[in-house]
Amino acid sequence: SAVISQKPSRDICQRGTSLTIQCQVDSQVTMMFWYRQQPGQSLTLIATANQGSEATYESGFVIDKFPISRPNLTFSTLTVSNMSPEDSSIYLCSVDNRGNTEAFFGQGTRLTVV
Amino acid sequence: QKEVEQNSGPLSVPEGAIASLNCTYSDRGSQSFFWYRQYSGKSPELIMSIYSNGDKEDGRFTAQLNKASQYVSLLIRDSQPSDSATYLCAVNMRNYGQNFVFGPGTRLSVLP
Repeated sequence: SAVISQKPSRDICQRGTSLTIQCQVDSQVTMMFWYRQQPGQSLTLIATANQGSEATYESGFVIDKFPISRPNLTFSTLTVSNMSPEDSSIYLCSVDNRGNTEAFFGQGTRLTVV
Repeated sequence: QKEVEQNSGPLSVPEGAIASLNCTYSDRGSQSFFWYRQYSGKSPELIMSIYSNGDKEDGRFTAQLNKASQYVSLLIRDSQPSDSATYLCAVNMRNYGQNFVFGPGTRLSVLP
């Protein structure tokens, strides 16, 4: 399975600011995925990041709030913009296993907005 | 609405017993099914995947899939305190790439 490095691992941010989360994979992957896990909740897919095209967002998530970059086949960023306390969550980067559909996760970014 | 349901627990079993975790899903078109283990404060870790009806065994873990009844289960034999975690059922509704719908998770507690 791919090794996925995510940073920062945690951050405490002021409301109204933005945070960019980085995800680095040790091998080239076609698609990268961003999930959110709110406190005590399960995982929800935010968007799929494809290299060379705009990210595809799931219902309830918009590009203005969660802009995503995918400059190459091993790297992606997710920005949480204009943060509010409701954005306090764990954000997880994921890749799939070369078409086998198994998903592997980075260690996550624990975000607290105050 | 594509849904995945699990009992939230907590499910408590004594050490050495069999833990049985269940999951049902709403979309008959679902193609692949996964169990993830998540320790508190950590990211999910894949422990089992299953794609066809029947049982799949890996060490102390057995996944069972019944597409006609739209349920998937995970059995953990000889449960250990280190198995105490939240177990997430995930259903992938596309043949390629991720359209994972995760269940709410079942919290398992294995008592020494």
